[in-house]
Amino acid sequence: SAVISQKPSRDICQRGTSLTIQCQVDSQVTMMFWYRQQPGQSLTLIATANQGSEATYESGFVIDKFPISRPNLTFSTLTVSNMSPEDSSIYLCSVEGELVNEQFFGPGTRLTVL
Amino acid sequence: AQSVTQLGSHVSVSEGALVLLRCNYSSSVPPYLFWYVQYPNQGLQLLLKYTTGATLVKGINGFEAEFKKSETSFHLTKPSAHMSDAAEYFCAVSRQWGDSSYKLIFGSGTRLLVRP
Repeated sequence: SAVISQKPSRDICQRGTSLTIQCQVDSQVTMMFWYRQQPGQSLTLIATANQGSEATYESGFVIDKFPISRPNLTFSTLTVSNMSPEDSSIYLCSVEGELVNEQFFGPGTRLTVL
Repeated sequence: AQSVTQLGSHVSVSEGALVLLRCNYSSSVPPYLFWYVQYPNQGLQLLLKYTTGATLVKGINGFEAEFKKSETSFHLTKPSAHMSDAAEYFCAVSRQWGDSSYKLIFGSGTRLLVRP
């Protein structure tokens, strides 16, 4: 399975600011995914990021709020813009595995917005 | 559309007792099914998966799950709970999206508590 790292592992931010989360994989992957896990909740897919194309966002998530970059096959960033306390969540990136429909997850970024 | 239902947001067992975490799915096509575990302050780790073939799937840490098409279930079991099994467990089903892409749909999760 791929080794995935995320930076930062956690952060406390003021409302109105933005935070960029980095996701690094130790192998080349085509598909990367970004999820949000609100406190005590399950995972919700934010968007799918394929290298060389615009990210595809799920219903309820927009590019202005969650811009995503995917400059190469091993790296992606998710920015949480103009943050409010409701954005306090764990943000996780994942990558496709070798087997069909399989995903491996990074350790997550725990964000608290004051 | 695919969906996943996990019965019981919290399950409490004694150390050494059987662990049973329930997962039912709905899918209009043969599903791919997964169980993930999330330990406190960590990301998700793949426990096991069912794609095709044998319906009893063995995973890491002594866990296994059985795909029962007639019951649309994929329950997770472990014969003897260990204190280190205390975590949040998520069942997931994959959903086809477009020609070759897919998404994972997660259940709401079950928190396993292990009593000494």
